[in-house]
Amino acid sequence: AQKITQTQPGMFVQEKEAVTLDCTYDTSDQSYGLFWYKQPSSGEMIFLIYQGSYDEQNATEGRYSLNFQKARKSANLVISASQLGDSAMYFCAMREEGGSQGNLIFGKGTKLSVKP
Amino acid sequence: NAGVTQTPKFRILKIGQSMTLQCTQDMNHNYMYWYRQDPGMGLKLIYYSVGAGITDKGEVPNGYNVSRSTTEDFPLRLELAAPSQTSVYFCASSYWGGSEFGGQYFGPGTRLTVL
Repeated sequence: AQKITQTQPGMFVQEKEAVTLDCTYDTSDQSYGLFWYKQPSSGEMIFLIYQGSYDEQNATEGRYSLNFQKARKSANLVISASQLGDSAMYFCAMREEGGSQGNLIFGKGTKLSVKP
Repeated sequence: NAGVTQTPKFRILKIGQSMTLQCTQDMNHNYMYWYRQDPGMGLKLIYYSVGAGITDKGEVPNGYNVSRSTTEDFPLRLELAAPSQTSVYFCASSYWGGSEFGGQYFGPGTRLTVL
C-alpha cells in the first residue's frame, strides 16, 4: 500500500486565486512529520512547509498553509493568492520518526499550472 | 553557505560504464541519503548513512554502492550502468539530535542518462 497518496496528477489555477493540493498518508507510527516540497522545471527540491504529528496548530509559511486533519490522515497544501512562479511539481512527503532511517517517503506529485 | 553540493550536474554514460556521483555537505549533519527520481515520479531512497562508516540499503539499492568515510562526503557508485538507471539523483542530509530529526536538505541533483 502506498504510504503517501497524491490523487491529483495535474491542477490548474487562475492567478491570484487559492488552490488546494491533496495529500493522504498511511502510517502506524504515532510520531511522524509531513513535508511539502516544490520542484520547479529547473529540478531542485525546495522545502515549503512542515507539520509534526503532535502539532495542534496547522503550519503556515507565508502564502503556504498545511491543512492537517489527523483523523483523516490528510495533509493538504493550500497556496493562497497563486502567482505565475508557483507553476511547478509539488510533492508531499512523510518521515516516520519511529524508524531509524529518517528518510522521506514521497508521493508521486501534483503538477500545478497557474494561468494568467 | 554551500549546504549540500553534488557533482556532476549532468552525465551521459554508456551501458556497462561506471561512475561515481559526488555529494558533500557542510552542515555537520550525521545522516545522509541518496534518492533517485524517475520521470513523473516522486523520490525513492537508494542508500542512507547514519554516520561515518555506517551505511544501509534503502528501497532501491540494486546496482549501486556507497561509502561514508567522513561526515561530509557520501559518494554513490554506479557499477555496470544500465538504461534502468537513467534518472535524476538527489543527495540529502539531515541532523539527528537524539530525540528528533531536523529538516532534510537536498542537493541540486545529478541528471544521469545511460545509453
